[in-house]
Amino acid sequence: EAGVVQSPRYKIIEKKQPVAFWCNPISGHNTLYWYRQNLGQGPELLIRYENEEAVDDSQLPKDRFSAERLKGVDSTLKIQPAELGDSAVYLCASSLGFGELFFGSGTQLSVL
Amino acid sequence: GENVEQHPSTLSVQEGDSAVIKCTYSDSASNYFPWYKQELGKGPQLIIDIRSNVGEKKDQRIAVTLNKTAKHFSLHITETQPEDSAVYFCAASEGSGGSNYKLTFGKGTLLTVNP
Repeated sequence: EAGVVQSPRYKIIEKKQPVAFWCNPISGHNTLYWYRQNLGQGPELLIRYENEEAVDDSQLPKDRFSAERLKGVDSTLKIQPAELGDSAVYLCASSLGFGELFFGSGTQLSVL
Repeated sequence: GENVEQHPSTLSVQEGDSAVIKCTYSDSASNYFPWYKQELGKGPQLIIDIRSNVGEKKDQRIAVTLNKTAKHFSLHITETQPEDSAVYFCAASEGSGGSNYKLTFGKGTLLTVNP
């Protein structure tokens, strides 16, 4: 069975440009998470979805970040405009309810 | 909110030795404590977890201990092998309920096992 799939794997953009990350969770997993992992740090939760509903977005910087999970399956995380401090690895994870989290390999974003 | 401190930040051991990583947490209501292993270029993977109703849990060469009174929990790896080399993260769930969606992670420990 395929795990959590994320794309792109790497992204390099100039500041003020927009960027989007895509995530396909494990089939059947109704809960989806976006985490941000800064260099040398642990992951930090940005947003959690249960099916298509964002049930916790308290850590999402809403002035420039947005996310959607149409039809309760795939999800997209967008940053517009990107800032230098947004350089990080963006991890998507999924779970069946409150079960074990399965992480994707992440998208490494570099903002120049 | 929850604060998780993890030590050491780097750990180097010889193959066959044991490795111990320690974490402390601040929220006494936390009751779910997972450990993740992250290899280079990959996402974290759950290796073991413990809930606050038990003090110790073991899975082959890996064990986790929990001291709720002191708000400490530790990861123990015995008979280390080169493939154990990775970054290890501890985490704690905010508030009660045992859900792992509001995990607060430590900063990680880079474990290097030398052949």
